Amino acid sequence: AQKVTQAQTEISVVEKEDVTLDCVYETRDTTYYLFWYKQPPSGELVFLIRRNSFDEQNEISGRYSWNFQKSTSSFNFTITASQVVDSAVYFCALSGRGGGKLIFGQGTELSVKP
Amino acid sequence: DGGITQSPKYLFRKEGQNVTLSCEQNLNHDAMYWYRQDPGQGLRLIYYSQIVNDFQKGDIAEGYSVSREKKESFPLTVTSAQKNPTAFYLCASNLGLANEQFFGPGTRLTVL
Repeated sequence: AQKVTQAQTEISVVEKEDVTLDCVYETRDTTYYLFWYKQPPSGELVFLIRRNSFDEQNEISGRYSWNFQKSTSSFNFTITASQVVDSAVYFCALSGRGGGKLIFGQGTELSVKP
Repeated sequence: DGGITQSPKYLFRKEGQNVTLSCEQNLNHDAMYWYRQDPGQGLRLIYYSQIVNDFQKGDIAEGYSVSREKKESFPLTVTSAQKNPTAFYLCASNLGLANEQFFGPGTRLTVL
């Protein structure tokens, strides 16, 4: 069975702090894909990143960075120098061989205070 | 502009009524998906379609039905058999399988 766990339900930080959102996954597929999405208060999910299971290279995009470690089945997301506009619910998701459907974690609600 | 549209944004239904949620995309994507989101929860898959005139049940298909007569459209009907339909419904599409899914703005359904 496939499963995604985001143990942090809510995180609150002050602007300019760094924050890491944890994601742990379970799958028996040898080929799989991991995703992060942002859901602002408007409700629409915004795609942030996709990683393939055979590519463990970390990625940085501006203030965002992702750390993928197959040894610990984790795909963590770090926001550097957080801003109020980063306040949202962030979802980690997994896709395997099951027809492209996504398995979502419960989400982490990030609140960045000025 | 390419994207996914969902209508209506808010929908109110009386118990015992069927309602249909619209989802249209002009991204030329082959696959389309319907998810349900409950407060404080992640998204759960209701139905998905990888090609016109074909669709598969997701994890929580009971009480829902779909059709895929056109590539651009994937409407979801919430039937009276769905015991607890109040939720936020999100439609998504992608080129298929490994590609990232893009989401519409969602429809918030409330049963009165």
